[in-house]
Amino acid sequence: GENVEQHPSTLSVQEGDSAVIKCTYSDSASNYFPWYKQELGKRPQLIIDIRSNVGEKKDQRIAVTLNKTAKHFSLHITETQPEDSAVYFCAAAPGRNNRLAFGKGNQVVVIP
Amino acid sequence: NAGVTQTPKFRVLKTGQSMTLLCAQDMNHEYMYWYRQDPGMGLRLIHYSVGEGTTAKGEVPDGYNVSRLKKQNFLLGLESAAPSQTSVYFCATSQRDSSTDTQYFGPGTRLTVL
Repeated sequence: GENVEQHPSTLSVQEGDSAVIKCTYSDSASNYFPWYKQELGKRPQLIIDIRSNVGEKKDQRIAVTLNKTAKHFSLHITETQPEDSAVYFCAAAPGRNNRLAFGKGNQVVVIP
Repeated sequence: NAGVTQTPKFRVLKTGQSMTLLCAQDMNHEYMYWYRQDPGMGLRLIHYSVGEGTTAKGEVPDGYNVSRLKKQNFLLGLESAAPSQTSVYFCATSQRDSSTDTQYFGPGTRLTVL
């Protein structure tokens, strides 16, 4: 099955700086890559996703890039704010009727 | 419009006891999922359902059973709880297959097995 790895496991950034989280996946057939944010004690919520026919997608301060050749995708958060502090999960899906495989999560800490 | 709800929010069990976790949704979604979340392990799929009356095994199904008798409800059962089942359990739903569609998560159930 699909194996998704996230790096680094913990990331601390100064408020206003950028944060980048990278995920790698193993199944070259994967074609859907969502990112979920989980604040402390809360439920995971989708923040952005990308499909394999697109190389980059942006939504205000967050963006996701996909490199299918290298089998990795990254979450970029610009102008970080304290409310960006959370655990971020990446996931990959090898196509229809296959389940999402989640990474183990990255703890992002934004230092005021 | 409550979205996805879970009952109970917290529960403490003794080894060998049984319990049922309830997930309810008013989003009219076809797909429903049960995950467990453990520190450093991410979200692992236990069982899922692609529609009323259907269930299927996920990544870590042992020790759990599920039922989807009604479209809006997905039940997760532990017949004989073990300390290894101490975890936070999340239910999720999606309109279409999760490989192409957003999953909406419930608030979670924190279960401790002593």
